[in-house]
Amino acid sequence: AQSVTQLGSHVSVSEGALVLLRCNYSSSVPPYLFWYVQYPNQGLQLLLKYTTGATLVKGINGFEAEFKKSETSFHLTKPSAHMSDAAEYFCAVTTGPGNQFYFGTGTSLTVIP
Amino acid sequence: NAGVTQTPKFQVLKTGQSMTLQCAQDMNHNSMYWYRQDPGMGLRLIYYSASEGTTDKGEVPNGYNVSRLNKREFSLRLESAAPSQTSVYFCASKMREIPYNEQFFGPGTRLTVL
Repeated sequence: AQSVTQLGSHVSVSEGALVLLRCNYSSSVPPYLFWYVQYPNQGLQLLLKYTTGATLVKGINGFEAEFKKSETSFHLTKPSAHMSDAAEYFCAVTTGPGNQFYFGTGTSLTVIP
Repeated sequence: NAGVTQTPKFQVLKTGQSMTLQCAQDMNHNSMYWYRQDPGMGLRLIYYSASEGTTDKGEVPNGYNVSRLNKREFSLRLESAAPSQTSVYFCASKMREIPYNEQFFGPGTRLTVL
């Protein structure tokens, strides 16, 4: 079975500072990993995903994430936070067709001007 | 291309009332999902349909039923609503044949049960 742990339900950063949102997963087979963003009163939209190959994945809005198999991690980063990055972020894992997606409990990002 | 649509956007029910949440997708996806989102608990899978004609229970199926009406539509029914079902409900869809393809989400239905 798979699971996802997001450390820190709330993260605050100053505008222009580094954003680091943590995600650790558990999977007995090679996983596919995703980061989604949810703006207030909206659905989830994909930020980026790791499938195979290059372990550093770039997504929309300047976000990127690195798959580290040895650490079972898929942390999300952005070099410089913008006010528009304030949202809830979810990490998710799946292992392939017919298998469920497992979501973390989410991290709420606040950007301080 | 509307993607995933959900109706209604908001609903208030009294305990014991029933209702059906509707979901439709126009992306020709095989798989569809119903989640509920509660503060601090992330998204929890209620039911899913891997392909037309099949449905399976997820993590929190009690108190819900689903119908995969056709390839496009997947509805969620609350037969006798309870306050514990107050939540935001999201429908999602995915192309089953591509294992690493992401799920696409609708805008959600905000349900309050009094």
